[in-house]
Amino acid sequence: ILNVEQSPQSLHVQEGDSTNFTCSFPSSNFYALHWYRWETAKSPEALFVMTLNGDEKKKGRISATLNTKEGYSYLYIKGSQPEDSATYLCASSNTGNQFYFGTGTSLTVIP
Amino acid sequence: KAGVTQTPRYLIKTRGQQVTLSCSPISGHRSVSWYQQTPGQGLQFLFEYFSETQRNKGNFPGRFSGRQFSNSRSEMNVSTLELGDSALYLCASSPRTSGSHNEQFFGPGTRLTVL
Repeated sequence: ILNVEQSPQSLHVQEGDSTNFTCSFPSSNFYALHWYRWETAKSPEALFVMTLNGDEKKKGRISATLNTKEGYSYLYIKGSQPEDSATYLCASSNTGNQFYFGTGTSLTVIP
Repeated sequence: KAGVTQTPRYLIKTRGQQVTLSCSPISGHRSVSWYQQTPGQGLQFLFEYFSETQRNKGNFPGRFSGRQFSNSRSEMNVSTLELGDSALYLCASSPRTSGSHNEQFFGPGTRLTVL
């Protein structure tokens, strides 16, 4: 994998459903994996940063896991709410502070 | 602490003109990175400045340049604008200290439209 890839590109879920997205990244020269939440007309907001294989982070109903050996991270949202509607970006950073972003997963939660 | 600020928020220019965008990082942050986002593309890295020096550069033509001042504020300049330069330009600041995991904090962006 040469680039950071995210899937799916977009997702529509019903309020109350749980959902998850995938971020794939190159394992070589990896330093950290970052998840951001980006609402329309706002700044991307940092959700999590993870560095170690097996890392798991949680913030309320949102959690993330990291597998550096195989180069992927999952973001989970439990019991989606309309206010969770946003684009979720992941980025891989190297020790040189270069960030490589995926194209994002656009989530729409239908009330 | 105040967040990252960018000015202007919106800008309309014509082909051939030049433009300067400004970014003020979070107080105490010494690194500023610039990104371009166009429809269907992820954030494309332009460059990073740290302590007034360009530390990293993305794959953009020389028309894109930047600088950083002693107070860490940064400017990005695009000369000879092309239609394809229409995009959202985001800047992000980082403390860039050991243990910070290189976390970046984004500004709201400048929406540039080239006619």
